[in-house]
Order: sequence, then C-alpha cells, then structure tokens
Amino acid sequence: AQSVTQLGSHVSVSEGALVLLRCNYSSSVPPYLFWYVQYPNQGLQLLLKYTSAATLVKGINGFEAEFKKSETSFHLTKPSAHMSDAAEYFCAVLPSGAGSYQLTFGKGTKLSVIP
Amino acid sequence: DAEITQSPRHKITETGRQVTLACHQTWNHNNMFWYRQDLGHGLRLIHYSYGVQDTNKGEVSDGYSVSRSNTEDLPLTLESAASSQTSVYFCASSEHRDTIYGYTFGSGTRLTVV
Repeated sequence: AQSVTQLGSHVSVSEGALVLLRCNYSSSVPPYLFWYVQYPNQGLQLLLKYTSAATLVKGINGFEAEFKKSETSFHLTKPSAHMSDAAEYFCAVLPSGAGSYQLTFGKGTKLSVIP
Repeated sequence: DAEITQSPRHKITETGRQVTLACHQTWNHNNMFWYRQDLGHGLRLIHYSYGVQDTNKGEVSDGYSVSRSNTEDLPLTLESAASSQTSVYFCASSEHRDTIYGYTFGSGTRLTVV
C-alpha cells in the first residue's frame, strides 16, 4: 500500500527565510504526488502536483516542489516565507497504475512564520 | 461559480444517535470522497463513490455509510454515533477517475459526539 511520511509535524521559520517541508513516499513505481494547504477552519487547497512531467513543479503562492525518484521524495520549498504562509500543509500520493484512485495523505506539517 | 458545500458546519450530537452530514457539489464531478481529519492522523478516507449508485469503503469505514442517488450529493451517515467519531469531516470531489487533477474540498463539518 502507498504511504506518505512528512518529517516534522511542526516547522517554524522566520519571515523572509526559506521554507522547506519534507515529504517521502513509499512506492515501487513513481506515483502522482500532491501538496495541499489548509488555512485555519478551511478546507484543503491544491498547491501543486507532480504527474510524471517535469520533476520541478511550480505551484501557487511561490511554492515549488522537486520530485526525486532516487530519494523517493517530494519536498516543498519557498524561497522567502510570508506571514500569510502560516497554515498546515499536507503531502498526498496517488498510485500511477490502474486500480486505485484514492489519495493517501501524510499526517501534515503545521508551518508557523515568526515575524 | 461551481462549488462544493458541506452542511452543517458544526454539529453536536449524543452517543447512539444517527447523524447525517451533507455534501453537495455543482462541479458535475463523478468522483466524490469523504475524509475525516484527526490530530496526528492527517486525513483518512471513509467512503468514496465514482458515480451514481456506486459506493466503496475506505480505510476507516466502520460505523459509516454513504449513498449516491445523483451526481451532486454524497451524504455521510453515522448509524449510531460514538465518541470516537468526534472529528472534522471533509467532502471532496474530482473530475477524472484517476484524480490526477486533484480534489476540490469542502470547508468541513466539525462533529462532536457527547
């Protein structure tokens, strides 16, 4: 079964600093990968997705993620954190083969931005 | 604009009662999903549907049921609410069966079972 591991349930960065949120997946075949963001008391919003095209994926709000097959990773980065980036971030995986069409989510990483 | 709405936003119920959470989408998506979100567990899939009259169990389906009588709605029923079902519930929909375009999520229903 597919699984997703997000390292660090809580990450704090200073405003203007680099944001790095880690995600590793377990799969023998490269899956589709997603990052979602959840602001307080809201649903989840898609940030970006990897679907076997370019390995560096650019998303909304200045975020990007790089798919690294050799490391089974899909880490999310942003060069300069803004206060508005404070939220919870979820990595999710979908098998690329036929037969399973449900997203499996990681446990989430809460990002705090310190002024 | 198309949207996915959940109701109610907040619900308090007593142990043993039957509760139904509503999910309505106007995207005309065939795929619909119910997740629960709990601290330390992320989102876990409860049930899902790929079209009218189609329903499937997810990872944590015990104590829950769904029905799909039309494209727009996938209500989630807790047959006999338990305290362990206190959670935030999210409904989602997607356009394609393989969901590579990602899900669209509702704003959630916070359910408390006392």
